[in-house]
Amino acid sequence: GIQVEQSPPDLILQEGANSTLRCNFSDSVNNLQWFHQNPWGQLINLFYIPSGTKQNGRLSATTVATERYSLLYISSSQTTDSGVYFCAVGGSEKLVFGKGTKLTVNP
Amino acid sequence: DAGITQSPRHKVTETGTPVTLRCHQTENHRYMYWYRQDPGHGLRLIHYSYGVKDTDKGEVSDGYSVSRSKTEDFLLTLESATSSQTSVYFCAIAGGGFFGNTIYFGEGSWLTVV
Repeated sequence: GIQVEQSPPDLILQEGANSTLRCNFSDSVNNLQWFHQNPWGQLINLFYIPSGTKQNGRLSATTVATERYSLLYISSSQTTDSGVYFCAVGGSEKLVFGKGTKLTVNP
Repeated sequence: DAGITQSPRHKVTETGTPVTLRCHQTENHRYMYWYRQDPGHGLRLIHYSYGVKDTDKGEVSDGYSVSRSKTEDFLLTLESATSSQTSVYFCAIAGGGFFGNTIYFGEGSWLTVV
């Protein structure tokens, strides 16, 4: 099956810093999504981005499907950005999740 | 927010007892999923449904069964709970087709098997 690798596994930032999270996958996909799990366990969909670039406020994502990777950019980080960021890839019906990047933003 | 309700939200049960978790949606979405989340493993798909009475296995389906008799409800059953099934269980939905493939998660059900 598809393998999904996320890096780095852990990231600690000071408030206001920028960061880039990476997701590599082992096979062609037509579905890629990014999620944020907050410290209370809630999972929020950030982007549906099988290819191209999208932006939503301080967050943006880029997927280069031909090279099998996706990047999530967080600019001017805030303490509320803390949590775990998951990349999930797959087809139209189901997704395989990476193990996540744990982000800690300190004030 | 997507209208997804999981019940119960927290449960402690004894080894060998049956347990059913319920996922209810108000979005009329076609796809429904059950995932489990464990430290070091991320989220793993247990079973999913692509329509009423249409279900398929995920990567960790052993020991679990599901049923979907109505569009809005997707039940996950542990026939005989084991300690290895202690986990956080998430239900998710996706519209597919016109609604797109964006997946939305419920708030999770914490299950402890003692």
